[in-house]
Amino acid sequence: GAGVSQSPSNKVTEKGKDVELRCDPISGHTALYWYRQSLGQGLEFLIYFQGNSAPDKSGLPSDRFSAERTGGSVSTLTIQRTQQEDSAVYLCASSFGPLYEQYFGPGTRLTVT
Amino acid sequence: SQQGEEDPQALSIQEGENATMNCSYKTSINNLQWYRQNSGRGLVHLILIRSNEREKHSGRLRVTLDTSKKSSSLLITASRAADTASYFCASPNTGNQFYFGTGTSLTVIP
Repeated sequence: GAGVSQSPSNKVTEKGKDVELRCDPISGHTALYWYRQSLGQGLEFLIYFQGNSAPDKSGLPSDRFSAERTGGSVSTLTIQRTQQEDSAVYLCASSFGPLYEQYFGPGTRLTVT
Repeated sequence: SQQGEEDPQALSIQEGENATMNCSYKTSINNLQWYRQNSGRGLVHLILIRSNEREKHSGRLRVTLDTSKKSSSLLITASRAADTASYFCASPNTGNQFYFGTGTSLTVIP
């Protein structure tokens, strides 16, 4: 595709449910990042994938959060037992690596009721 | 830990005026990047300046980098209403993670 895509664009879920957010990076980009942005705030780094290396999960806020990247391409961010404080926009970005600019998807707006 | 911090948090100017935003960072960097965000969704990359560069231009944008002060500035000249957005700086830390600040919210009044 021409850019980074994310799905769904909006997700409303009940507290305690699990959710999966998907990111399709730009083809050929080896680096993939997940961020979280709460209303009116900056971006919070969550996780970073680079090629076949082990992902950097240091930004994940709790063990309810996990992410994987299959075949070095598509990535899924999973939030288990969602809480209201998980409500935010989840942004995915891809690039050729940390020395290069990132291309962002449109984000998934998650609302936990 | 926060790597980029923008200043001011909010800026309101008249169309045609110049807008200057500043960014400070904590650790040594390889490059520093500026991004723009409209309506709270995806960010758009504006410009990347490498640590061995002091100034870079792109259209109406001018970015400076002072590694001795660990600071960068973004200047938008002849601002337009369409420049209204939030602007963020970011750079990779030694672990290749990117940290963004809370951004500068720019309002350009027509």
